[in-house]
Amino acid sequence: GNSVTQMEGPVTLSEEAFLTINCTYTATGYPSLFWYVQYPGEGLQLLLKATKADDKGSNKGFEATYRKETTSFHLEKGSVQVSDSAVYFCALSAGFGNEKLTFGTGTRLTIIP
Amino acid sequence: EAGVTQFPSHSVIEKGQTVTLRCDPISGHDNLYWYRRVMGKEIKFLLHFVKESKQDESGMPNNRFLAERTGGTYSTLKVQPAELEDSGVYFCASSQDYMGGYTFGSGTRLTVV
Repeated sequence: GNSVTQMEGPVTLSEEAFLTINCTYTATGYPSLFWYVQYPGEGLQLLLKATKADDKGSNKGFEATYRKETTSFHLEKGSVQVSDSAVYFCALSAGFGNEKLTFGTGTRLTIIP
Repeated sequence: EAGVTQFPSHSVIEKGQTVTLRCDPISGHDNLYWYRRVMGKEIKFLLHFVKESKQDESGMPNNRFLAERTGGTYSTLKVQPAELEDSGVYFCASSQDYMGGYTFGSGTRLTVV
């Protein structure tokens, strides 16, 4: 079956540091890949997505590239801010985003000023 | 537009009691999903409604869980009787079609003591 393995947290970085959160997946076929973010006290929000190999999703300075050869979708940001403190979830779906999602365990990120 | 609304936001109940969680999707969204995150682990799929019909309930853990969606509008998830291992955060999400992706609610934190 499908699975997502995500970098263990928590991760603590200083403001303006470079961020990488690793995500690898196992899936049959050609899944769509997602990063969701949960800010304190809020629901899950879609941060970015990629629907086919070599696609790059980007939003709010975050990027992730769909690497089929390494089955990875690592999240990166060049300069993090305190407001980026949240829990980040990597996820996949077998379809175009309207089918059930398989999530990783989440990575709690804390940015200190 | 209003987002996905879940209530209560928190619920603390004793083992053996019954709890009903409610989700109001975005108006016009035919697809409604329930997920839960237990003990800081991965978020897991519970079930998927298309309008009032259960499209996929493969993630429902056992028959103590009953989900309904009245008239294809709001949905309820009842746990009866609740057990300690049911504690976690229950998320609801809705979508109109496969291109739009999901919108998640803020979740209901259920604590069974």
